[in-house]
Amino acid sequence: NAGVTQTPKFRVLKTGQSMTLLCAQDMNHEYMYWYRQDPGMGLRLIHYSVGEGTTAKGEVPDGYNVSRLKKQNFLLGLESAAPSQTSVYFCASSGGSDRFTDTQYFGPGTRLTVL
Amino acid sequence: RKEVEQDPGPFNVPEGATVAFNCTYSNSASQSFFWYRQDCRKEPKLLMSVYSSGNEDGRFTAQLNRASQYISLLIRDSKLSDSATYLCVVNSDTGFQKLVFGTGTRLLVSP
Repeated sequence: NAGVTQTPKFRVLKTGQSMTLLCAQDMNHEYMYWYRQDPGMGLRLIHYSVGEGTTAKGEVPDGYNVSRLKKQNFLLGLESAAPSQTSVYFCASSGGSDRFTDTQYFGPGTRLTVL
Repeated sequence: RKEVEQDPGPFNVPEGATVAFNCTYSNSASQSFFWYRQDCRKEPKLLMSVYSSGNEDGRFTAQLNRASQYISLLIRDSKLSDSATYLCVVNSDTGFQKLVFGTGTRLLVSP
């Protein structure tokens, strides 16, 4: 049982390049989330999904797109990377049975640098 | 004003000390509250949920004061392994599990 995994762990991009971050969970969770963490800002929600085939915008969605074609996978895309997107990206998942008490389980993170 | 505010620290304490962290939140409609722990360059992990009646898990005690919109975490008998950043987290409940994270309080426990 791997929990939540993220690919890749590190990436360096040039401004304007595109990339996709992959998140996979093996806990049969309904809800999945993408966050970014920047110094002094705390984790901020980018996009989330409440089930296969559904996605929604979080707090800071601009410049990102997501897809959830399979229940276990949640993809985060950067269409045209900008230096402001340099950050640590965390994926998380939760069961979805109780939105008040469910625990969110996080992946190990992807460190992205945009030059 | 940030929705969840914490003292960033760092708190430097010797082993065996008792240390307390505080957190305030601004959304009075918040429904649930948590403390997460984050080790350096690692992912956040749930430490404990926080209930109105207060709850304890070993050396850790969490308290919630809804009237003052205040959450606390007390660590007794600090261990070197407690060194980490502690994130105060609030579920603002906008129809799904939207967690709002504080920026964290860093704890350094020294021998």
